[in-house]
Amino acid sequence: AAGVIQSPRHLIKEKRETATLKCYPIPRHDTVYWYQQGPGQDPQFLISFYEKMQSDKGSIPDRFSAQQFSDYHSELNMSSLELGDSALYFCASSLNPFGRVADTQYFGPGTRLTVL
Amino acid sequence: KQEVTQIPAALSVPEGENLVLNCSFTDSAIYNLQWFRQDPGKGLTSLLLIQSSQREQTSGRLNASLDKSSGRSTLYIAASQPGDSATYLCAVRAQGGSEKLVFGKGTKLTVNP
Repeated sequence: AAGVIQSPRHLIKEKRETATLKCYPIPRHDTVYWYQQGPGQDPQFLISFYEKMQSDKGSIPDRFSAQQFSDYHSELNMSSLELGDSALYFCASSLNPFGRVADTQYFGPGTRLTVL
Repeated sequence: KQEVTQIPAALSVPEGENLVLNCSFTDSAIYNLQWFRQDPGKGLTSLLLIQSSQREQTSGRLNASLDKSSGRSTLYIAASQPGDSATYLCAVRAQGGSEKLVFGKGTKLTVNP
């Protein structure tokens, strides 16, 4: 079965640079979620989108922005990168029929971002 | 604010042993609870999902229970194998429309041959 695809899998950036992470949800899934997992930490919710609209927001820095496109893929844009942004970034997707809360979030393999 | 705690933080057992991982949460108003497995530097694999109305779920050698009123869940692993070595994360989803999962910090399990 198709899973959530994230690209790139690894990314190395310098401080103050920008980065764009991409997420392709499971086909027909209409909701995507972004999580950040720092070294040795638990995943922290950043933001989610349902039908291309922001549906929930967590601890996402103002330097980060995200959107969901008409084909339901999502991009997380990160500017003015800091050393502390080094983390594993997960995307998850789910199907929320008729706007109801979905049961399961399916996670992608993550993008490992290293800021030097 | 929902907080999820997992005890122990690390566990080392010999192969073949049955074991229990614990998860507790502070707000019992949850929609569901999910157990994940994470291998080092890898993604999250969903193991079991328990709805708030359910008491337990089973998959193979895994059994997860939920006591919502006391804010507790356990993950029971039977006849542990070295391949079970990983970090196990518990996550809860709150009622009321919030879609985010709140994770515990995980239990790092090592099963020794």
